[in-house]
Amino acid sequence: GQNIDQPTEMTATEGAIVQINCTYQTSGFNGLFWYQQHAGEAPTFLSYNVLDGLEEKGRFSSFLSRSKGYSYLLLKELQMKDSASYLCAVRDGGNAGKSTFGDGTTLTVKP
Amino acid sequence: DAGVTQSPTHLIKTRGQQVTLRCSPKSGHDTVSWYQQALGQGPQFIFQYYEEEERQRGNFPDRFSGHQFPNYSSELNVNALLLGDSALYLCASSLSGSGNTIYFGEGSWLTVV
Repeated sequence: GQNIDQPTEMTATEGAIVQINCTYQTSGFNGLFWYQQHAGEAPTFLSYNVLDGLEEKGRFSSFLSRSKGYSYLLLKELQMKDSASYLCAVRDGGNAGKSTFGDGTTLTVKP
Repeated sequence: DAGVTQSPTHLIKTRGQQVTLRCSPKSGHDTVSWYQQALGQGPQFIFQYYEEEERQRGNFPDRFSGHQFPNYSSELNVNALLLGDSALYLCASSLSGSGNTIYFGEGSWLTVV
């Protein structure tokens, strides 16, 4: 079956760096997404990795190792507004097909 | 350029009733996927529509059905509502073959009492 694991909760301090890990076991792989979701809102796209390596976009970076079934999202210079749930999702249903989501990591940024 | 729009935003239904949720994809997108997100969980894939046909389906019962119209908008119908159907229903819009561009609507909050 499809299985995506990520920590349930994390806490970090404003201005610090935090790494959110995601491991996956899926029957197919056509890319890995990271989304941010604030409470009561829809997920918003953060990053997409389909090849191994690091993708950097401003304060956010995402890494993928397909051989290890592993990804992480790195958030730098944390701000209070970064407090949210971070969802790891694997597209396992072909190009533009369905994605399987983890249950999300709730990040709390403290002053 | 309008993003993904969903309606209604919130609704309350009684157990056993039927509900229809609507989604208009982002301009230029032709594929609509529906997800159910229960509180504290990640979104679960219900089904995907492309060219007015159901292209993929997740592990949801036949009470969940859908439709896509020629203008690419879509509906999600749920019959014989159960208390466990209470969730946020998300519509995701994409362009077939485009890879990484997927946009979510704000969702429809369904409460079944």
